[in-house]
Amino acid sequence: EAQVTQNPRYLITVTGKKLTVTCSQNMNHEYMSWYRQDPGLGLRQIYYSMNVEVTDKGDVPEGYKVSRKEKRNFPLILESPSPNQTSLYFCASRRVHTDTQYFGPGTRLTVL
Amino acid sequence: AQKVTQAQTEISVVEKEDVTLDCVYETRDTTYYLFWYKQPPSGELVFLIRRNSFDEQNEISGRYSWNFQKSTSSFNFTITASQVVDSAVYFCALSEAYNNAGNMLTFGGGTRLMVKP
Repeated sequence: EAQVTQNPRYLITVTGKKLTVTCSQNMNHEYMSWYRQDPGLGLRQIYYSMNVEVTDKGDVPEGYKVSRKEKRNFPLILESPSPNQTSLYFCASRRVHTDTQYFGPGTRLTVL
Repeated sequence: AQKVTQAQTEISVVEKEDVTLDCVYETRDTTYYLFWYKQPPSGELVFLIRRNSFDEQNEISGRYSWNFQKSTSSFNFTITASQVVDSAVYFCALSEAYNNAGNMLTFGGGTRLMVKP
C-alpha cells in the first residue's frame, strides 16, 4: 500500500530534550516536506527536500533541523524543543512533475 | 505572496442540509493549483480535490461539488445532503506553479463542520 508513515504518532516531552520524528514514504517520491498545524493557522511548511541531500527552509524553520540521506526518509529533528513547538506535525511527499502532496497520519507533540 | 482565507471558522448543520464552505485565495501567479483536504476527528489529512488555474469547470463527485471562480478568486466546496460522517475540519490550499521552489502548499485556517443527527 502506498503511504507516508510517521513515528511516533504521539509524544510528550520536556523542554530541551532532543527528539526526532521520523517520516518514511514507499512511493519513491522525490519531494518531501514537513508542516506544522496550529489552531486557526492551518498548516505551515517547516522544511522541504527536493531530493537526497537537498533541503531548504519553508515558512517556519526556526528551531528545527532536517536531513535527507535516503530518498524514502526525511526525519524532523528538534535539538532543544520549547513549549511553542507543541503542535501537530505532518510529513508529506509527492513525485516530481506532479503537484498533489500526500500526507502522513500526523504526530502530535507536546513540549512541557 | 500567496494567501488563502477561509472566513468560516465553524459551521453547524443538521443532517441532510446542504452546506457550502467558502475559500478565497490570493496569488500573483497565473498558473496555480487549488486543493481541498478533509481532516476527520482521527487527525489525518484526506485529499479531496485538485484544480489547476486553467480549468474553471465545476466538478461534482457524489454529494461533493466544487465551484471555482477565477473572477472572484474563490474555490467553494458544497456538500449536498450532509451526513454525520462529514463532520471534520476542511482545509482549502493553494500552490503556486512558478514562484514556489518547495512546492509549498499555503493553507487556509480551516473550517470546522459539525453535522448533527
